[in-house]
Amino acid sequence: GEDVEQSLFLSVREGDSSVINCTYTDSSSTYLYWYKQEPGAGLQLLTYIFSNMDMKQDQRLTVLLNKKDKHLSLRIADTQTGDSAIYFCAEADAGGTSYGKLTFGQGTILTVHP
Amino acid sequence: GAVVSQHPSRVICKSGTSVKIECRSLDFQATTMFWYRQFPKQSLMLMATSNEGSKATYEQGVEKDKFLINHASLTLSTLTVTSAHPEDSSFYICSAIAGETQYFGPGTRLLVL
Repeated sequence: GEDVEQSLFLSVREGDSSVINCTYTDSSSTYLYWYKQEPGAGLQLLTYIFSNMDMKQDQRLTVLLNKKDKHLSLRIADTQTGDSAIYFCAEADAGGTSYGKLTFGQGTILTVHP
Repeated sequence: GAVVSQHPSRVICKSGTSVKIECRSLDFQATTMFWYRQFPKQSLMLMATSNEGSKATYEQGVEKDKFLINHASLTLSTLTVTSAHPEDSSFYICSAIAGETQYFGPGTRLLVL
């Protein structure tokens, strides 16, 4: 089945850039997502990228996709203490009876130090 | 963006009772909603796919008689945890698809005593 892997922890200083990495195994993935979860809350969609794109930029967020290596990354520029949270990458199945099903990584806990 | 709500946000119940959790798409219609479960410090595990007007599709290992799902309208899906036990204590999150994006509810924290 599909598998999505992330590093578990990342610690950065306020103002630095954060890079969260993710690898996946399903070559038929259509969309790849980044979600943010703050303590005790649901998931907030940050951004997503279609599988035929290499890069997507949205304000402080940059997503890079290397489809050959099945590697996805999320770069947060000028990281702030409010960015401290758990970040999940997820890949969406191609369709058919599995349409819309997401497979999540384990989540990366981002800690931002003042 | 699309908004998904859940009710209640947290619930405490006695072992053996049933608990119903509602998931609503507030500003869009959703023919498909998903129910996830999240244990502390772990990722989300898909429990089932809720389809409006038809039976839910459960993931392997999820007991359909224990986790009853009803998707009676295009804006509401309910998850009922029947005869809850302490091991059912968890964070339950629903989601709904709008366009090509999946939006998540804020989650329901269930504690079974």
